[in-house]
Amino acid sequence: GAGVSQSPSNKVTEKGKDVELRCDPISGHTALYWYRQSLGQGLEFLIYFQGNSAPDKSGLPSDRFSAERTGGSVSTLTIQRTQQEDSAVYLCASSFGNANTGELFFGEGSRLTVL
Amino acid sequence: QKEVEQDPGPLSVPEGAIVSLNCTYSNSAFQYFMWYRQYSRKGPELLMYTYSSGNKEDGRFTAQVDKSSKYISLFIRDSQPSDSATYLCATPTFNDYKLSFGAGTTVTVRA
Repeated sequence: GAGVSQSPSNKVTEKGKDVELRCDPISGHTALYWYRQSLGQGLEFLIYFQGNSAPDKSGLPSDRFSAERTGGSVSTLTIQRTQQEDSAVYLCASSFGNANTGELFFGEGSRLTVL
Repeated sequence: QKEVEQDPGPLSVPEGAIVSLNCTYSNSAFQYFMWYRQYSRKGPELLMYTYSSGNKEDGRFTAQVDKSSKYISLFIRDSQPSDSATYLCATPTFNDYKLSFGAGTTVTVRA
């Protein structure tokens, strides 16, 4: 596709359930990022992939959060045993170069609501 | 201390006004600064990018970096209703992949 694609766009789940969020980056972009945006907050870095490797997972809030990337393309962010504080918009971005000079292209996000 | 702090807003201005958006950053070693624009229910998109200090102009938009005061600004001239969005400042801080974002300022331009 022309841009970064994320699915689902909206997800409502019950506390304690697991959710999977998918990101399909721009073809050829080697770097992929997950950010979280809570109401009134800036973007919070979660994880960075270069190819299929995740050299920096430091932003993942807890061990309930995990992410993988396969084939240097699609990435999945998994949240296990969801909590109400996990409610946020999860944004995926990809880039060809690094963040210093390369533009990050963001998807429209997956809006997660945990009841 | 957060790496990037942004004036919270929101701002509401009449069409044609100049919009001034501001951020401060914590470390004088930061070199690259970006402004992203985010429309409602959309992902952020890069609006302006500057390196080191000085001004950069792109049409009605001017980005300014003052390294002596660790201050970054975005000015929008002749603002239009289509400029209504949330504006986020960002910097890569100490590595080349992790952007640190301000909280964002929501701007509404009234027709």
